[in-house]
Formats: sequence, structure tokens, C-alpha cells
Amino acid sequence: DIQMTQSPSTLSASVGDRVTITCRASQSISSCLAWYQQKPGKAPKLLIYDASSLESGVPSRFSGSGSGTEFTLTISSLQPDDFATYYCQQCNSYSTFGQGTKVEIK
Amino acid sequence: EVQLVESGGGLVQPGGSLRLSCAASGITFSSYWMSWVRQAPGKGLEWVANIKQDGSEKYYVDSVKGRFTISRDNAKNSLYLQMNSLRAEDTAVYYCARDSSGYEPWGQGTLVTVSS
Repeated sequence: DIQMTQSPSTLSASVGDRVTITCRASQSISSCLAWYQQKPGKAPKLLIYDASSLESGVPSRFSGSGSGTEFTLTISSLQPDDFATYYCQQCNSYSTFGQGTKVEIK
Repeated sequence: EVQLVESGGGLVQPGGSLRLSCAASGITFSSYWMSWVRQAPGKGLEWVANIKQDGSEKYYVDSVKGRFTISRDNAKNSLYLQMNSLRAEDTAVYYCARDSSGYEPWGQGTLVTVSS
């Protein structure tokens, strides 16, 4: 089974900060990776698919990069609406999510 | 508007059964793989199962193999999850989602609580 490890688990940041979240796969997953944002009590929302493709309607401050085993989600300038939990998900072999990264207000 | 609506959750005793449903609208349901994803209280997301467009292929996470069955009825634009031999660790919000270059959209989720 492919394991996905996100870091950090929690991230404290301020509005306007550049934020980077890392996701590592236990084996190569090519570019079969997606990123989601989830707010309390709500369903997750797709942000990035195929490692770097921005989902329609998602602000351009979100970007994804990487391939193989290491991936990053970057928020170029953190906005108040971005405080949430973020998950990566691999789709190369069945499906596995990372454990999540909570972005909180510093 | 694309919409997925889950139903069928509730309180069930350990060892019991429950059938979840997911009604799709606004999408060509028969054209997509579909998945169930769950989230235990205060925990992260876990993929549970998915099913091919025509139902000919089905895959499950190891922890539910032999207990859960995913199915679909394309004529009714509906996805199902039959859950048998339920355990306390199956307690979670269960989401259905379209499986295509990522999961999107998602339903609002239905809560399954396994407890005596």
C-alpha cells in the first residue's frame, strides 16, 4: 500500500504569508496527486489535480508542484478564507490520503 | 447544478448492517467512476471503495473487504454502499464523490454511528 505523509501537521501563519505544505509518497506515484481544502463540518473541496492543475474556480494563489514521491501545495498570499485543513491524495494505486495539515491563524 | 446527496446513515449496533445511498443530479452519472470516502470524528479522510462506470470493476480499502459492497444503478443515477458486520471503528461521516482527476464534487455526507 502507498502511504502519504504530510508536513507539517499544523502550520501557524498570518494573512499575506506564503505557505507551503509538503506531501511525500512511500513510492513513486508519477503525477497522480490531488490537494483538497476542508473546513469544519463541510465536505472537502478539490483545489489541485494531476499534481499541478488548478481546479476550475479555485483562486490562482493556490499552486501545486512535484512528481514521483515529493509534492508541494503553495498558497502565495494567505487570505482569511484559507484557514482550513488541507489534504493530499494519491490516485496511482487505489487511493490514499495524507493525514492533513491544519493551517491556523498565528 | 451538479449535486450529490447521501442518505441512509444512522445509529446501528456492532455487527449490524446499513445501506447508504447517494443520489446524483446535474452530471452524466453513467460516465464516471464513483467513490465512497469516510471521515471518523476528528480524524482525516479515508478512501473506502470505488466503482467503474458500468459496475464491472470495484475496489475496496483492506479494512472493509468482505464486509462492504459498493454498487450503482445508472438508470436511477444512484450509488450505494451496503455495510455489513459493522464495527465501532466504522463510525464516520461517509461521503460519496465523483472520481475523475480528483474527487469533485462531494456530497454533504451522512453520519454512521456504530455503538451499543
